[in-house]
Amino acid sequence: DVKVTQSSRYLVKRTGEKVFLECVQDMDHENMFWYRQDPGLGLRLIYFSYDVKMKEKGDIPEGYSVSREKKERFSLILESASTNQTSMYLCASSPGKEKEKLFFGSGTQLSVL
Amino acid sequence: LAKTTQPISMDSYEGQEVNITCSHNNIATNDYITWYQQFPSQGPRFIIQGYKTKVTNEVASLFIPADRKSSTLSLPRVSLSDTAVYYCLVGLNTGTASKLTFGTGTRLQVTL
Repeated sequence: DVKVTQSSRYLVKRTGEKVFLECVQDMDHENMFWYRQDPGLGLRLIYFSYDVKMKEKGDIPEGYSVSREKKERFSLILESASTNQTSMYLCASSPGKEKEKLFFGSGTQLSVL
Repeated sequence: LAKTTQPISMDSYEGQEVNITCSHNNIATNDYITWYQQFPSQGPRFIIQGYKTKVTNEVASLFIPADRKSSTLSLPRVSLSDTAVYYCLVGLNTGTASKLTFGTGTRLQVTL
């Protein structure tokens, strides 16, 4: 089974802190994605990556950056956390030729106080 | 801004067929349409995928018209355990790479 592991299930941070959310997949997938999910707004794409060291902005990249130094790992960085970044963050990966077939992690519920 | 829209919620009785439609006017030419199911406190889970016409697997059918600007997920004979949120996922044309965008999600409530 494909496994997508997110480093933390729950995270509490203070406004202004730099926050790292880590995601690791074990199926050698080319594609990786970060979404955030908020009540009433569904899943919104923050950033995605189709290859190592490659990244593309999604619909809501402001306030976020990403890093993909190795194929299996895709990190989401909040440079200076703000309260409006309190959300559920979901990481996903998919194989190169079936990029729409996403496998998701369990999510990280981030609270910024 | 191109987006993907679905009904916010639907109700059904156990044993009925449920059809959920997703509208995606700006779908990228080469991209598939994929549907996901999500239970509380879990990530979305793949259900079915198609490019055009009809696709069927052991849990659902997917109907896609020739213009591909919409798609309909059909769940035959739903049970209580099908209560969940259902999302369509499509690649939308952005001018550069197609962007995988989820629909707004449809909350399905199944009752006895």
